Amino acid sequence: QKEVEQNSGPLSVPEGAIASLNCTYSDRGSQSFFWYRQYSGKSPELIMSIYSNGDKEDGRFTAQLNKASQYVSLLIRDSQPSDSATYLCAVRGAGRRALTFGSGTRLQVQP
Amino acid sequence: DTGVSQDPRHKITKRGQNVTFRCDPISEHNRLYWYRQTLGQGPEFLTYFQNEAQLEKSRLLSDRFSAERPKGSFSTLEIQRTEQGDSAMYLCASSLWAGLAGDPYEQYFGPGTRLTVT
Repeated sequence: QKEVEQNSGPLSVPEGAIASLNCTYSDRGSQSFFWYRQYSGKSPELIMSIYSNGDKEDGRFTAQLNKASQYVSLLIRDSQPSDSATYLCAVRGAGRRALTFGSGTRLQVQP
Repeated sequence: DTGVSQDPRHKITKRGQNVTFRCDPISEHNRLYWYRQTLGQGPEFLTYFQNEAQLEKSRLLSDRFSAERPKGSFSTLEIQRTEQGDSAMYLCASSLWAGLAGDPYEQYFGPGTRLTVT
């Protein structure tokens, strides 16, 4: 079992729709959770962080965390073609400083 | 530009050669991380520094890899006797640790160095 799992996609949504990206993790003691966006050939860009159960909203992005289910998700409202990228889920495990990343979900927003 | 910078951006080398990469973190950040990313995978942790101290190394970091951060500012990653399997994007990230419980540990990545070993 991978430490951080994501569906590789591609997830295809029409422009203006809500894109829902999901991630599960295995370390129950994990403390911090992050979503990065990565365009092809570029480095990861931090878009959201979440540390406690519930929802956290930032503009069109909402991160959701459920530690009991070991599940974190990212919702993108009013999806735009410029949102087309790979979205990486990253988790900081208990007592660790480094992040463990999933393999990413490729999102395609169709104009 | 006050973000993380890396040099060079691209490196092509022949198998068996040594290569060195440099990372300059965000100026006030005291933690620096190296990751490696191959196609279709997420970044994998290699090592991290707090100031000049190397505090953690991944088992991925074989004896051919060495990293330094001599004055707690920039860092170098050296790969000796490169192998084709070393071909990857080498990413540097930095974060600020203020010594407080609940620090966010948000890491910001540089543009990466793409290594191709022929």
